[in-house]
Amino acid sequence: DAKTTQPPSMDCAEGRAANLPCNHSTISGNEYVYWYRQIHSQGPQYIIHGLKNNETNEMASLIITEDRKSSTLILPHATLRDTAVYYCIVRVDGGATNKLIFGTGTLLAVQP
Amino acid sequence: KAGVTQTPRYLIKTRGQQVTLSCSPISGHRSVSWYQQTPGQGLQFLFEYFSETQRNKGNFPGRFSGRQFSNSRSEMNVSTLELGDSALYLCASSWGGLADTDTQYFGPGTRLTVL
Repeated sequence: DAKTTQPPSMDCAEGRAANLPCNHSTISGNEYVYWYRQIHSQGPQYIIHGLKNNETNEMASLIITEDRKSSTLILPHATLRDTAVYYCIVRVDGGATNKLIFGTGTLLAVQP
Repeated sequence: KAGVTQTPRYLIKTRGQQVTLSCSPISGHRSVSWYQQTPGQGLQFLFEYFSETQRNKGNFPGRFSGRQFSNSRSEMNVSTLELGDSALYLCASSWGGLADTDTQYFGPGTRLTVL
């Protein structure tokens, strides 16, 4: 079973920041949080990952709470092309396998 | 650097047939993982290959099999196709080291329809 909980859907106005929450209350100390997104019928696209510190790249920012039980993915200026299903994944047994367990994700709809 | 490529992109088969899907990983990546995506079950892990050996396997029947070649290219095979095997099949490649930050990159997928 997935180790994360995400809201099924969210709306965001174009040009505004999109903040996507994720709960992972059972995360272990050495498990990373990964975010992927999937635009309809395409392969999932890697966005960002982190362990305990906040991370930022050209696509997004990842804010992880101090107790690591939740995180937020931030798309600073959402565009229509950001409409997709966003998956928050806690890497399972990071030292033994590359297996990813996907939950149901959050469908982000960016509105014009 | 070229991304993960999968062939064919679309495939139509009939029940009872078998099918082989191909995945070419990013250059330098030695791990290839396969996933099945259906509307009902979402994205599910099938298996992972590293250096021509299966390293991990999901909960799928033996009709689903795979292999990896010395150049890291991978194929998956589904025998005796069932209607429920209709799905988007995705492969993902990564460097393959068992590090917590070994990021997987996905291909565009193969859409299999079983009639």
